[in-house]
Amino acid sequence: EDQVTQSPEALRLQEGESSSLNCSYTVSGLRGLFWYRQDPGKGPEFLFTLYSAGEEKEKERLKATLTKKESFLHITAPKPEDSATYLCAVQAGNKLTFGGGTRVLVKP
Amino acid sequence: SQTIHQWPATLVQPVGSPLSLECTVEGTSNPNLYWYRQAAGRGLQLLFYSVGIGQISSEVPQNLSASRPQDRQFILSSKKLLLSDSGFYLCAWSVRLAGETQYFGPGTRLLVL
Repeated sequence: EDQVTQSPEALRLQEGESSSLNCSYTVSGLRGLFWYRQDPGKGPEFLFTLYSAGEEKEKERLKATLTKKESFLHITAPKPEDSATYLCAVQAGNKLTFGGGTRVLVKP
Repeated sequence: SQTIHQWPATLVQPVGSPLSLECTVEGTSNPNLYWYRQAAGRGLQLLFYSVGIGQISSEVPQNLSASRPQDRQFILSSKKLLLSDSGFYLCAWSVRLAGETQYFGPGTRLLVL
C-alpha cells in the first residue's frame, strides 16, 4: 500500500527564517511526486511535479527536491504570505496518495 | 485556459437527507475526473475517479456514489447522509495520461447535522 508521511505537522517561522519540509514515501512504481499549497477553506493549488530522483524545481521562494525515498520543500526567506498548509502526494497509476500536510505559519 | 467549478460552496444538510454535489470543467476535453474528501486537519482521501463518461471507479466503500453524465461533468451523490459524511469535498481533473498533474476545484464544505 502506498504511504506518504509529512513532517513536521506544523511549523512556525519568523519572516526571513528559512526552513525545510519533509515528505517521505513508499510507493510501487512512482509516476510522480506532487507538491500543493492549500489555504484555509480553499482547494489545493499546484506547485511542483517531480518525476525522478535528483530532480529539483523552483518557484519564487520555494524549491522542491526528490530522492528515492523522500522529497523536501525548502522555503527560503519566507514571507507572511507563504503561510499555508503544504501537501505532498505520490502517484501510482491514476491515483494520488496524499500525506497529512505541514501547516506553516510565518510571523512578521 | 482550464477552469474547474464546484457548487454549492457550502451546504448544511440534516442526517438522512439526499446529497448532490456538482463539478464541471471548462477548457479541456476527455479529462480524468476525481472526487476527494478532506476531513478536518487531515489529508485528502480519494473517493472516486472517472476516465470517461459512465466509467466510475470507487476507492472506498461508503455511503456515497458518483456519476459522470457528460464528458466534463462529475456528480457526487448520496441517498441518505450520515453524520460522518461531513467534510470538505474536492473535485479535481487531469489530462488522461499517467503522471499528469491533478488540478483542484474550490471545494464544497458539507456539514451534516
